[in-house]
Amino acid sequence: NAGVTQTPKFRVLKTGQSMTLLCAQDMNHEYMYWYRQDPGMGLRLIHYSVGEGTTAKGEVPDGYNVSRLKKQNFLLGLESAAPSQTSVYFCASGFRGPSGANVLTFGAGSRLTVL
Amino acid sequence: AQSVTQLDSQVPVFEEAPVELRCNYSSSVSVYLFWYVQYPNQGLQLLLKYLSGSTLVKSINGFEAEFNKSQTSFHLRKPSVHISDTAEYFCAVSDWDFGNEKLTFGTGTRLTIIP
Repeated sequence: NAGVTQTPKFRVLKTGQSMTLLCAQDMNHEYMYWYRQDPGMGLRLIHYSVGEGTTAKGEVPDGYNVSRLKKQNFLLGLESAAPSQTSVYFCASGFRGPSGANVLTFGAGSRLTVL
Repeated sequence: AQSVTQLDSQVPVFEEAPVELRCNYSSSVSVYLFWYVQYPNQGLQLLLKYLSGSTLVKSINGFEAEFNKSQTSFHLRKPSVHISDTAEYFCAVSDWDFGNEKLTFGTGTRLTIIP
């Protein structure tokens, strides 16, 4: 059982380059999220999706775009990478259980360095 | 607006000693509370959660946390730690804001077990 798979795991970019991070989940979850993790700042929500074809901005959306064309995939794009986007990116998916709470499953992370 | 405070960024503990990782939150509505654990070079995993009912919740590996509404706390405890507990621990709170669920993470506590 794969769960949440992120590709690539590592990437080095030059300032101004573009790239896309792919997140795939095989649990039929409605909700998907992209977070970034930086030392001393915990996890910050970039964008999220509550279903196929829908996306919304999180806490730190500037410089990123997302798409959810298929339920199982959630793409995070950087159109023009900046050194401030050097971070570890985590994708998560979730479902709302009988209690109403949304429990998340995380991918292993993608480490991005922008030079 | 909700927030989560983890008072200790790093906690060193001797093996087989007890540990408490502190978490306080602020929210204007009823909440769900979570502890996630991140082992080195991995994504986050759900450790335990409080949704409703008994205020004391337990994990399968000996951790427990108690929801204290009057003190707005959800501290994590273990009576005897092992080397394998070395990880970063994140407290998170989920509540509803204008029909949207919002999950907020604390900045994390790095637990280091000393042999």
